[in-house]
Amino acid sequence: NAGVMQNPRHLVRRRGQEARLRCSPMKGHSHVYWYRQLPEEGLKFMVYLQKENIIDESGMPKERFSAEFPKEGPSILRIQQVVRGDSAAYFCASSPASSGGSGNTIYFGEGSWLTVV
Amino acid sequence: GESVGLHLPTLSVQEGDNSIINCAYSNSASDYFIWYKQESGKGPQFIIDIRSNMDKRQGQRVTVLLNKTVKHLSLQIAATQPGDSAVYFCSLYSGGSNYKLTFGKGTLLTVNP
Repeated sequence: NAGVMQNPRHLVRRRGQEARLRCSPMKGHSHVYWYRQLPEEGLKFMVYLQKENIIDESGMPKERFSAEFPKEGPSILRIQQVVRGDSAAYFCASSPASSGGSGNTIYFGEGSWLTVV
Repeated sequence: GESVGLHLPTLSVQEGDNSIINCAYSNSASDYFIWYKQESGKGPQFIIDIRSNMDKRQGQRVTVLLNKTVKHLSLQIAATQPGDSAVYFCSLYSGGSNYKLTFGKGTLLTVNP
């Protein structure tokens, strides 16, 4: 069974460019979550999506950041006009349903490391 | 909102010793806690969880203790091995949700051979 697949694993962007991070959830999982991890910090919740729906985007910056999970294809986290402060590891997680309070049904991907130069 | 802190940012132990990693939380309403292990360059990996109606839970070589009175939990790793070297995060569900995790900053565990 393939786990949560994220790509690219590493991405370098110049200031002002766009970054697109992709996440394919585990087979059978219909719920996707994005987290951001700054250097030497814990993960911070960004957004929770189901197919074609944004359920909770309370952790998303108000500008430049957007996320989608289309009916077909991976979930996409898009960062427009990147700045140096966007440099971080971005982790996607998936679960078969709302995790229902069971942490062992949430699986994290290996992350996408964004560096803005 | 909730905050999760760790008592020590780093912990160094000898192979074979027991390790104890501590964590404090601020919201007394938190009712579910999870420990994750993150190896360098990888995503968090579930280790063990505990609900607030319990004060202890054991897994394979790991034990989590929860003290709701002082809002403290700990992760104990028995007979620590080099493969246990990683950053360990405590986390809890936040905002009254059952999906939004709040993570602590992490403790770096180094196991010396």
